[in-house]
Order: sequence, then C-alpha cells, then structure tokens
Amino acid sequence: NAGVTQTPKFRILKIGQSMTLQCTQDMNHNYMYWYRQDPGMGLKLIYYSVGAGITDKGEVPNGYNVSRSTTEDFPLRLELAAPSQTSVYFCASSNRAGGAGGTQYFGPGTRLTVL
Amino acid sequence: EDKVVQSPLSLVVHEGDTVTLNCSYEVTNFRSLLWYKQEKKAPTFLFMLTSSGIEKKSGRLSSILDKKELFSILNITATQTGDSAIYLCAVLSQGGSEKLVFGKGTKLTVNP
Repeated sequence: NAGVTQTPKFRILKIGQSMTLQCTQDMNHNYMYWYRQDPGMGLKLIYYSVGAGITDKGEVPNGYNVSRSTTEDFPLRLELAAPSQTSVYFCASSNRAGGAGGTQYFGPGTRLTVL
Repeated sequence: EDKVVQSPLSLVVHEGDTVTLNCSYEVTNFRSLLWYKQEKKAPTFLFMLTSSGIEKKSGRLSSILDKKELFSILNITATQTGDSAIYLCAVLSQGGSEKLVFGKGTKLTVNP
C-alpha cells in the first residue's frame, strides 16, 4: 500500500532554474495539498486541490504553480527558483470522512536547496 | 486570519517524565483539531478531536479539547526516548477545502 509518494527525495537547484515536484496518491482521495516546512517552523500551505481540475492558493503560493489533471497526481512547479524556496516540501491527501473532516496523509517529503 | 499557537516550542525531559503540550487556536468556523507526530520525515497522525471534554487515548498518549477556551493539550506519560519528535497541532476549519492551519510545533527531546 503506497499511500502518498513524492519524487525526488532531494534536489539542488541553481537560482533561476525550474523544476517539478511530483506527488501521487493511490487512495482515491479527492483532496490534495502541498506544504512547505522551513527549519523550526510548522507547515505552511502552498496550494491545494479539492478534486481533478480544481486548484486554489494556500497561504504562500507565490513562486509556485500546480495542476490537477487526474485524481492521483498533484505536481508542484517552481518556475524560477529562488533561495527563499529552500525548504522541505510535503504533499498530503485526504478524503472527506463524515462531518468531522478527513485525516491528511503525508508523503515522505522532498528536500529542496536553491543555491 | 486563522492562527494556531503551540507551547512550549521546545522541551527537554528525562525518560519516565510526564509532559503536557499545549495548543491554542483562533479560527473561524472550527471543525476539528488534529495532532501529528513528526520524527525525521513526514508527520504521522495521532488524534483528531471534534468535541469538547472527550479524551482520546492511544497507549501513553492522550489528548483533550476545550472548544470554549479554544485550546487542546496532548499528554504523554512515562516518556520514552522514542517519543522524541516534533509534535504538530493543526486546526481544520469548515468549508469545502479541508484546509489545515498548523502551529509551529513543539520539539520534545526525551533523554535516557
């Protein structure tokens, strides 16, 4: 049971380069999320999606883009990498469960360094 | 703006001690509060609390929510070195997006 998978695990980028962080879930969850976690800080929501074809901005969307063409995949795109984007990126998914909301399941994370 | 504040930010204890971690929140349309444990990798789910005064337990860990005073506590009794981690509190607000707002976390270190 794979759950939420993310690739790559590590990446070093030069300023101005672009890359896509991949996220896939096999639990048929409608909701998917991208977070970043900076040292000593909690997670901050970058973008989220409530279903295929629907995405919306979170707390810190600047410098990122997402797409959701399928239920399973939710890639995060960095177009012009900046040192401020050095962080650990987590993808998560959830399925609305009853009236109380669903638990979010997290991928293993991608550690990105921009030099 | 929705806000989640955890305290203390860092805590060092000895094995066998009991610890209490705090989480207070200000959020419109509260739905539920979640606790996660984060070791070296991704956060793993511990508890979800939706109703005041009902304690949730899992082994040595327990948690309770006070919706009137807008806070939750996470208790760990008889701590072990394996409890060393960052404990994250997050609040889910009502609406269609199921967005979680996270606190900064409490870093717990349990020394032998």
